[in-house]
Amino acid sequence: AQSVTQPDIHITVSEGASLELRCNYSYGATPYLFWYVQSPGQGLQLLLKYFSGDTLVQGIKGFEAEFKRSQSSFNLRKPSVHWSDAAEYFCAVGVAANSGYALNFGKGTSLLVTP
Amino acid sequence: GAGVSQSPSNKVTEKGKDVELRCDPISGHTALYWYRQRLGQGLEFLIYFQGNSAPDKSGLPSDRFSAERTGESVSTLTIQRTQQEDSAVYLCASSSYLGAPSETQYFGPGTRLLVL
Repeated sequence: AQSVTQPDIHITVSEGASLELRCNYSYGATPYLFWYVQSPGQGLQLLLKYFSGDTLVQGIKGFEAEFKRSQSSFNLRKPSVHWSDAAEYFCAVGVAANSGYALNFGKGTSLLVTP
Repeated sequence: GAGVSQSPSNKVTEKGKDVELRCDPISGHTALYWYRQRLGQGLEFLIYFQGNSAPDKSGLPSDRFSAERTGESVSTLTIQRTQQEDSAVYLCASSSYLGAPSETQYFGPGTRLLVL
């Protein structure tokens, strides 16, 4: 079954430093991949998604992710982290559900930003 | 606003009681999803509604869980005889389904359920 793994449970970075959050997927064909962010007290918000075309995907809030088939990865990156980026980040893969698709989520990576 | 709304935002109940959670999707969205997020875990898919098609119930953890949707509007998730392991945040999402898996799902703020 299609699934994603987020190897890092917690990550701490200094404000202004670069960030990379890892996501590995398990799927034979081209997967439909998503990154969501969940800020404290707020709902999940889509950062970006990939389903075809250019393997480097730009998202909101300055985030980007690169699909690498050879490594089965879809890592999320940001060149300079802001304190407001502290949140829980979820990678997800679209899986068939009846006549549509649901999402299989990873367990999430909690990002802490230090001054 | 025009986002997905859920009620109640918090629910505390006693073990063995039934609870009903409500979701109002974004107007015009034909697809509606329920997920569960237990403490320290990722989101688990529970059930999916698409228009008038039979719902995909493959993620429901037991027969104590059921969900209904009226047309393309409100959905209710019912948990009967609640157990402590049902404690979680229950999230609802909707999307404008056009048959493409790339459709963005928009999430509500969730209902935090605590079973004592």
